[in-house]
Amino acid sequence: DGGITQSPKYLFRKEGQNVTLSCEQNLNHDAMYWYRQDPGQGLRLIYYSQIVNDFQKGDIAEGYSVSREKKESFPLTVTSAQKNPTAFYLCASGDLFSYNSPLHFGNGTRLTVT
Amino acid sequence: AQTVTQSQPEMSVQEAETVTLSCTYDTSESDYYLFWYKQPPSRQMILVIRQEAYKQQNATENRFSVNFQKAAKSFSLKISDSQLGDAAMYFCAYRSAGAGGTSYGKLTFGQGTILTVHP
Repeated sequence: DGGITQSPKYLFRKEGQNVTLSCEQNLNHDAMYWYRQDPGQGLRLIYYSQIVNDFQKGDIAEGYSVSREKKESFPLTVTSAQKNPTAFYLCASGDLFSYNSPLHFGNGTRLTVT
Repeated sequence: AQTVTQSQPEMSVQEAETVTLSCTYDTSESDYYLFWYKQPPSRQMILVIRQEAYKQQNATENRFSVNFQKAAKSFSLKISDSQLGDAAMYFCAYRSAGAGGTSYGKLTFGQGTILTVHP
């Protein structure tokens, strides 16, 4: 079955450590996205990518980095520079040329930094 | 930049009754898409319904329907015959139309509305 896989589901890290969240899709989508979700707030866009080796900053990119070396993969690194990294992170993919098609989302990663 | 506003942080409804969730948005674009997503406690994002801005007819999906008022930039979701399984966080989202460009097909979300369904 086609879909998006995020791993791990729960992630715990000590303050000051970088951590990488995995996102893999087999939907053959060109575009991929990372969103952050905090309690009482909607989803906020961190980074997005249209094609391999190209990505753009979203609304809250500070303290995060991404890579897009393969069409299927779009990992997100939460660096020690991110001041409030504890959150729920959602990865999504979509078809750029069919905008009435919805984005497909992974099941998310809950990151806790102490 | 586009913004999406959901002014109801929480709503509640009795089972089998009807509830309407509000959403307004701000854009200077004429062609775009609007979506309602549901996020149950599992936190999986599930598409509920979509609306294309150039279509005047309101979208309907079984018990879910929208009231799309383009001039007022309003996109409300009506849930009829509410069921316990409808309890979730609901997000309204905006997506620019057209391939490529600077939007990259990204979604802009509202803050969400938590819907509680009472038996």
